Amino acid sequence: EPEVTQTPSHQVTQMGQEVILRCVPISNHLYFYWYRQILGQKVEFLVSFYNNEISEKSEIFDDQFSVERPDGSNFTLKIRSTKLEDSAMYFCASMGAIDSNQPQHFGDGTRLSIL
Amino acid sequence: GQQVMQIPQYQHVQEGEDFTTYCNSSTTLSNIQWYKQRPGGHPVFLIQLVKSGEVKKQKRLTFQFGEAKKNSSLHITATQTTDVGTYFCAGSYSSASKIIFGSGTRLSIRP
Repeated sequence: EPEVTQTPSHQVTQMGQEVILRCVPISNHLYFYWYRQILGQKVEFLVSFYNNEISEKSEIFDDQFSVERPDGSNFTLKIRSTKLEDSAMYFCASMGAIDSNQPQHFGDGTRLSIL
Repeated sequence: GQQVMQIPQYQHVQEGEDFTTYCNSSTTLSNIQWYKQRPGGHPVFLIQLVKSGEVKKQKRLTFQFGEAKKNSSLHITATQTTDVGTYFCAGSYSSASKIIFGSGTRLSIRP
């Protein structure tokens, strides 16, 4: 079964540095999402992306964050000038089409640790 | 704003007992999904409910979507140790929009 893949599985970064989290969505999917989960808390929506532009973003997704689909396969989340509170699991998800029977498929996540 | 509330936060049961978690939305949902997350793992999709009053079963798991499409429940019959994990409901207000997760119910089981 096709999967959403995320790299790296674990990223350790010094506070203030930039990080790029990578995702390869399922190949024929059109809708892409980033979520994050702070340890012990619920999964929170960050941003959705369709047709090469952001379709929706949450309050968390401020100017520190950006997303990009640089080629036909990768979907990246960039966090500039990381802060301690950015430490979390970051999940990428993708969905095939506008169809109420289509679920979002999640990757295994990237654990981001800011020191 | 749009919120999905989930209760209880924790449930500790004896193996073989039943378990139920409930979700409630402040506004009508387009669909609701249920996920299971093991410690250190990622949310694993279990099921999606779309229709008002829908009931779906997966072996010992029964999922319900309320008539008003504002609430949902997951019921596990005769829990087993493999059921341990956190169960999240996640609602969507339109087909391609973000998912709003509930806070999850952590299920632990006494053998």
